[in-house]
Amino acid sequence: AQTVTQSQPEMSVQEAETVTLSCTYDTSESDYYLFWYKQPPSRQMILVIRQEAYKQQNATENRFSVNFQKAAKSFSLKISDSQLGDAAMYFCAYRSAGQGGGSEKLVFGKGTKLTVNP
Amino acid sequence: DVKVTQSSRYLVKRTGEKVFLECVQDMDHENMFWYRQDPGLGLRLIYFSYDVKMKEKGDIPEGYSVSREKKERFSLILESASTNQTSMYLCASRSFLRGNEQFFGPGTRLTVL
Repeated sequence: AQTVTQSQPEMSVQEAETVTLSCTYDTSESDYYLFWYKQPPSRQMILVIRQEAYKQQNATENRFSVNFQKAAKSFSLKISDSQLGDAAMYFCAYRSAGQGGGSEKLVFGKGTKLTVNP
Repeated sequence: DVKVTQSSRYLVKRTGEKVFLECVQDMDHENMFWYRQDPGLGLRLIYFSYDVKMKEKGDIPEGYSVSREKKERFSLILESASTNQTSMYLCASRSFLRGNEQFFGPGTRLTVL
């Protein structure tokens, strides 16, 4: 079974600075998807960024980028120019690329609480 | 925009009560999911549904059941609520055809006294 590990329960960053959240995963599959989800204090979980394992290029979405190291099974999230609105719980998640057999489900890490200091 | 709604934001029930948590999505998604979120444990999958009338157990199905009679609605049922089921419950949906993202509802904070 796949597992996702977020080793940093809490992180803090100064406004306008850069922060990196860590995520490692364990799988025997070669094709899969990785996600970072954000859950602000209002509780609505939203997708921040996704990465397909077959793509070597790291995904980028505005101030958010990932460092995907497939061999090391590492998937970190970098937030540049941090803003107060970035304060949230961040969850790393894994999904198999197949269809059926339970591959539709996401496997989540335990989350990292990010605090942004003004 | 995809919208996933849950019937209640906050719910308080007593031990032994039968509890229904409702989730509705408006984007014709085939897949729907129920997660439980607890501090320090992240999100754990309770049940999911591939399509209407189809369901699969997730990682922690004990004490729960589900119903999906219509495509847009996925219900989580606690047959006899217990205090250890006090938690945040999140519903999500996903299109089988149009991508990998799961869209989440706002969550229901259930307290069982």
